Amino acid sequence: DAKTTQPNSMESNEEEPVHLPCNHSTISGTDYIHWYRQLPSQGPEYVIHGLTSNVNNRMASLAIAEDRKSSTLILHRATLRDAAVYYCILRDHRLRDNYGQNFVFGPGTRLSVLP
Amino acid sequence: DAGVIQSPRHEVTEMGQEVTLRCKPISGHDYLFWYRQTMMRGLELLIYFNNNVPIDDSGMPEDRFSAKMPNASFSTLKIQPSEPRDSAVYFCASSLDGLAYEQYFGPGTRLTVT
Repeated sequence: DAKTTQPNSMESNEEEPVHLPCNHSTISGTDYIHWYRQLPSQGPEYVIHGLTSNVNNRMASLAIAEDRKSSTLILHRATLRDAAVYYCILRDHRLRDNYGQNFVFGPGTRLSVLP
Repeated sequence: DAGVIQSPRHEVTEMGQEVTLRCKPISGHDYLFWYRQTMMRGLELLIYFNNNVPIDDSGMPEDRFSAKMPNASFSTLKIQPSEPRDSAVYFCASSLDGLAYEQYFGPGTRLTVT
């Protein structure tokens, strides 16, 4: 069963903000929300993570709904280099060794950035 | 640090041949992961190690696949015999520990089996 659902694709114009949504209606209280992205012909790279509060780092912001059933990754000013597949992943951090089926990359959202 | 290093970057082989993919994790990282990515199945976790010990290999597709980690700085993923359906990009990743939030991925090995 998919734990997260994301739109297949999105488009944005360069230098405009981008809001990438993720639904996770069955999230448990101990699941952290992770975002990774995969640039063309590269391995995935970590973007940001959060539990309940909104988070900011140099790459992006993560807005988490009050009921935690959805979240949004925000790129404040999209650049051409941000064109990638963005993955939203849940992981329960209570246990060290639960990667197995608890860190699953779904199909993600393919973001296109138009110049 | 140079990041996670994988070799070779590209491998083309004939069906039935043995293939060995190599990975050097980031120094000091206790966890090492092997993933496979295809268009049909996306990114799948095959196996991961903690301190050189395999923890979960439930993602390994079949007995033709095997992975080893003889020391903290080296791991191999072997396919014997290889089949065309094994064609994919294989990624190695490492993380500091089991509670770390970040996995660091290598550039991948693109395997083509003809």
